[in-house]
Amino acid sequence: AQSVTQLDSQVPVFEEAPVELRCNYSSSVSVYLFWYVQYPNQGLQLLLKYLSGSTLVKGINGFEAEFNKSQTSFHLRKPSVHISDTAEYFCAVSGRANFNKFYFGSGTKLNVKP
Amino acid sequence: EAGVAQSPRYKIIEKRQSVAFWCNPISGHATLYWYQQILGQGPKLLIQFQNNGVVDDSQLPKDRFSAERLKGVDSTLKIQPAKLEDSAVYLCASRGGTPSYEQYFGPGTRLTVT
Repeated sequence: AQSVTQLDSQVPVFEEAPVELRCNYSSSVSVYLFWYVQYPNQGLQLLLKYLSGSTLVKGINGFEAEFNKSQTSFHLRKPSVHISDTAEYFCAVSGRANFNKFYFGSGTKLNVKP
Repeated sequence: EAGVAQSPRYKIIEKRQSVAFWCNPISGHATLYWYQQILGQGPKLLIQFQNNGVVDDSQLPKDRFSAERLKGVDSTLKIQPAKLEDSAVYLCASRGGTPSYEQYFGPGTRLTVT
């Protein structure tokens, strides 16, 4: 089975500053990796995904993430955040052999302040 | 295309009562998931359907929870009887075939058990 650790439960940041949300995973097999965003009272929306190929993945809203196999990490970054990025972010992992089953981290609340 | 629909959006019941949630996935999506998201936690998979068959229900509390997906389209999740610890958001998601491994989430049903 797989597991996901999001080290920061909350990340406060000022508008236009850069941000990194950390995600580490544990798995004995090769994985697919995902970042989802959840706005208040809404479902989850896919930001980006890593399936194969380039380890730097670009997603929507200016976000990007880098897959680091040796460190089993998939950190999410944005060079300049906006107030509208305030939301909760979830990292998820799925084993390639059983890609149907997703394991989610506990989430990181990003609070962008003016 | 229309997204994943869920109803009701909110439900308040007393403990020991019964409740049912409904999900309509994206048209043509064979895989359907029900997740439980407790406040401050990431989504936890309760049950996964492939068409109208159950693929994984290992984390479904079967003494009180049940789910069905008749005709491989809509799905219902039922809790009978509810406990206080069932208070959570219940998310439905669906997924199409490969090469997209993305799950599309509905807005969720927020259940409060008093």
